[in-house]
Amino acid sequence: QSALTQPPSASGSPGQSVTISCTGTSSDVGGYNYVSWYQQHPGKAPSLMIYEVTKRPSGVPDRFSGSKSGNTASLTVSGLQAEDEADYYCSSYAGSNSWVFGGGTRLTVL
Amino acid sequence: QVQLQESGPGLVKPSQTLSLTCTVSGGSISSGGYYWSWIRQHPGKGLEWIGYTSYSGSTYYNPSLKSRVTISVDTSKTQFSLKLSSVTAADTAVYYCARYYDNSGSFDYWGQGTLVTVSS
Repeated sequence: QSALTQPPSASGSPGQSVTISCTGTSSDVGGYNYVSWYQQHPGKAPSLMIYEVTKRPSGVPDRFSGSKSGNTASLTVSGLQAEDEADYYCSSYAGSNSWVFGGGTRLTVL
Repeated sequence: QVQLQESGPGLVKPSQTLSLTCTVSGGSISSGGYYWSWIRQHPGKGLEWIGYTSYSGSTYYNPSLKSRVTISVDTSKTQFSLKLSSVTAADTAVYYCARYYDNSGSFDYWGQGTLVTVSS
């Protein structure tokens, strides 16, 4: 059970779109539609942004969207805003009632 | 609104047992479909799932930690707990409790986290 692979950093200017990838294996990301994404501001707890690959909890702006292709899931943030600057983590079900997270991506709004 | 709050010692000596409690408010800990979870974050690093328990006491653990972890639930106190034995400096981390919701396959509510340092 290895951590999912995310790029350490991503950036974009206000109004632009940024996509963050999350690569796993056929035993986790590729095998189940239980990929979720979390936003974490410095010193704060993570907050759920996307679940079941593409679904948004109520209250999450529709600027945030998720997708998956094969063993790689992606989070896209459209119309970047200053408050989107944070760390983002993906998570996937890994079978046998176990879960794995990614190493995190720091999103910088230029 | 469901709220979770971690409590416990912030400093633990090497080889001892780390013990934390999470108190749940604003919702029932005894409802089906939820698993009460512990997740940790090493300083400046990513998240690591430790394990979770159902309200009835069914537990599931990260295989890499399974030999040292015990998670238990006390529905009468609306609390669940984490015990991690034989700790080393590598167990220094911020420990979060969180609610896993089966219908969404995600961790939808989190505590604020508590830093536990392992040091003599």
